[in-house]
Amino acid sequence: GAGVSQSPSNKVTEKGKDVELRCDPISGHTALYWYRQRLGQGLEFLIYFQGNSAPDKSGLPSDRFSAERTGESVSTLTIQRTQQEDSAVYLCASSRGGLAGVNEQFFGPGTRLTVL
Amino acid sequence: AQSVTQLGSHVSVSEGALVLLRCNYSSSVPPYLFWYVQYPNQGLQLLLKYTSAATLVKGINGFEAEFKKSETSFHLTKPSAHMSDAAEYFCAVSVTSGSRLTFGEGTQLTVNP
Repeated sequence: GAGVSQSPSNKVTEKGKDVELRCDPISGHTALYWYRQRLGQGLEFLIYFQGNSAPDKSGLPSDRFSAERTGESVSTLTIQRTQQEDSAVYLCASSRGGLAGVNEQFFGPGTRLTVL
Repeated sequence: AQSVTQLGSHVSVSEGALVLLRCNYSSSVPPYLFWYVQYPNQGLQLLLKYTSAATLVKGINGFEAEFKKSETSFHLTKPSAHMSDAAEYFCAVSVTSGSRLTFGEGTQLTVNP
């Protein structure tokens, strides 16, 4: 079946512009995660959606970052007034969710954001 | 809070040699532990996971990892490296089965012919 997809694959923007990054999770996966990977670094957690529960936004670095999810499907990560330090690969992951077993996170290919 | 330390940002081995990638974690509760691999220009792929069922975990592509509570370690090994193993490897921890992952900074594995 189809995996996690993300669009665009690459985005170049000018400092101060807003950007939207999209994630399509695996069908039936109730949990969705956003991570950021800066060059040469590990992944940083940004935000987590689980079903209809309030999202865990504890990883968002500033109020310029926000994310939405429509039901248990598509999610959009929005960065307003982009800064050069926002340049990174933004990765989305999804998992089955729930409490039974260990929920493996399946990752998308990422969106590489470059802020000039 | 949990954290992960990967010792050695770059590891280089010869083809056919033992691969050992080190991971130490800290967690206030029994952790779930994972190793992911990232091939060039590709997304992350799960290699293996520790869920408390067995301390020695076997994964894909001949990799395995051993959970050692006394050492708070989860090192990744493969007896014989292959050229196709060249990639970046990430160790990660979570405190519940579905919660967010906390990643180490990654280890770039180079395999020399």
